[in-house]
Formats: sequence, structure tokens, C-alpha cells
Amino acid sequence: SQQGEEDPQALSIQEGENATMNCSYKTSINNLQWYRQNSGRGLVHLILIRSNEREKHSGRLRVTLDTSKKSSSLLITASRAADTASYFCATEDKAAGNKLTFGGGTRVLVKP
Amino acid sequence: DGGITQSPKYLFRKEGQNVTLSCEQNLNHDAMYWYRQDPGQGLRLIYYSQIVNDFQKGDIAEGYSVSREKKESFPLTVTSAQKNPTAFYLCASSIAGFGSNQPQHFGDGTRLSIL
Repeated sequence: SQQGEEDPQALSIQEGENATMNCSYKTSINNLQWYRQNSGRGLVHLILIRSNEREKHSGRLRVTLDTSKKSSSLLITASRAADTASYFCATEDKAAGNKLTFGGGTRVLVKP
Repeated sequence: DGGITQSPKYLFRKEGQNVTLSCEQNLNHDAMYWYRQDPGQGLRLIYYSQIVNDFQKGDIAEGYSVSREKKESFPLTVTSAQKNPTAFYLCASSIAGFGSNQPQHFGDGTRLSIL
């Protein structure tokens, strides 16, 4: 079963707009990570946020974590066509020996 | 240029055949992982190794085998016992294993299909 569930499953926006996707999880976590996957390629790590952190930034990316609601969000500001990809959240699940468990992903299409 | 190299990029398996997927890293990472990705899905953990000469089963290990004789290499064998092997296989590595608050670095995958 999947620990993280992303919402929405798919998102289509115009270049320059912001994209927001959410991740919910079920159990206690050590950290939550966001990855990007371009079609037919491997995953690229974006941001890792620890369970005692609430917000992290990296360039145009902003990640928040609310452990009381067991949810996280990834915001991509001023999106570009090159941001078109699938985005996955993954949690290090304390109940599963901190193994990394991935959600099903959000497919983002940025139209030029 | 440090990274993870998976080969081959595409692989075809005949009925009853074992096939081996290669994964090599030059990042000096202790931990390595194998994941399976089905179309439109997230990743599922097959096997992982947190240190050389040691490995553990993941969530879907049946029909797969691994070895970790060298720090740099973590080959995955898909055996004939794996009845539905068609998938995209991803290898990853990290400085240290689960619980160390370290991200994973991924190769570009091997796509396995049945002939």
C-alpha cells in the first residue's frame, strides 16, 4: 500500500503560473522528500524536509510540512515548460524501519 | 562526473529466462536500492543494501535476487519465478541508509519487456 498520496493526479497550467500539489500520508515519518521524474528517466531529488521542519525553499520551489495533518505541499512558482514532469512525494516511514515509500505522483504539464 | 549508471536501457526476456540488470555508482555511497515502477504508478522497493556484503528484501522481493560484493555495484537478477516482470526498473544510492535523512540519487532506469 502507498504511504503518500498526491493530489491532484494531474495538473495543467500555463507558463508563468504557479503549480501546487499536495501529499498526504498515514503514519509517523522521519522525513518527507519530493522528487521529479521526466518521461522515461530516473528520479531527481528536489527537497528533503525533516519531521521537525515546517517549510523549506530551493530556488522556485517551496515545500511545507504539517505533521499534525500528515500532509505536505510542493509549490513551483513562475512555472516553465521545462517543469513539465511527474512529481512524487516519498516518506521515510518510522513504522517500516524508515524505508522510503513513494506516492503515485502528480503529472504536471506546463503549456508554453 | 559522479553518478549512477544502469545498463542496458532496454532489455527483453524470454519465457523461463533469468536476466540481470546492472547498476554501478561512483558516488562512494554506502547504500543502494532497487525499485520497480509500473506505468502511471509510484516506485515499489524490491531490495536494498545499506552496506557492502549485506542486503535486505523490500516490499516485492519475490522473483528477484541481488548481490552486493562491491561497494560500487548492485546487480538485480529477474528470475523466471517473476511472472509479471514487465516494468521500469530504477536503481538508486544514498550516502547512508534509511533513517539517515539523506536523499537518494537515481539512475536512468532499465525498461524490461517480455518477448
